[in-house]
Amino acid sequence: DAGITQSPRHKVTETGTPVTLRCHQTENHRYMYWYRQDPGHGLRLIHYSYGVKDTDKGEVSDGYSVSRSKTEDFLLTLESATSSQTSVYFCAISEARETQYFGPGTRLLVL
Amino acid sequence: EDKVVQSPLSLVVHEGDTVTLNCSYEVTNFRSLLWYKQEKKAPTFLFMLTSSGIEKKSGRLSSILDKKELFSILNITATQTGDSAIYLCAVNSNYQLIWGAGTKLIIKP
Repeated sequence: DAGITQSPRHKVTETGTPVTLRCHQTENHRYMYWYRQDPGHGLRLIHYSYGVKDTDKGEVSDGYSVSRSKTEDFLLTLESATSSQTSVYFCAISEARETQYFGPGTRLLVL
Repeated sequence: EDKVVQSPLSLVVHEGDTVTLNCSYEVTNFRSLLWYKQEKKAPTFLFMLTSSGIEKKSGRLSSILDKKELFSILNITATQTGDSAIYLCAVNSNYQLIWGAGTKLIIKP
């Protein structure tokens, strides 16, 4: 398995609270991605990064921001969590923008 | 708009049966098609297909791509209960993966 970890693995928070999810890789892959997965919607891209300090929006970026200060770490922040952001969040990495390898996921519940 | 459609959405078969999962697509700039298996955790990579007519095979799983008709199939022969999972298809278009909704496969003993 690709060396990808996500933290925390589970989180319960309250509406209006900021939340940061972390993705850490040991593969030195250039590209990193944040997805959310919800029943009936499949995997949807939130943001992605193509290098340190280089990021871009995906199809569902509203309410989320990201940062990548080191090759190995990609942070996803929910600026003010809402119940609609309750989801499973996956980080993925890719060496050459082809095959993506996924982290174990974070289950987030916003009450 | 880029689109990937998988069928059926769900399928229940008995152990030992052969199953065929379908993935059709309409995208602006096709680069490759990927299959993933998702059990109760993260998607794991199965195959990447780029050329028509060339079968990729791994054990009891195989997949083929038809770029003229814009679809791919994933075959699983002699199914086992461990094959129960959601199978996801994704198409790389302009270096972004466009995901299908998945096929939920249940194998009954």
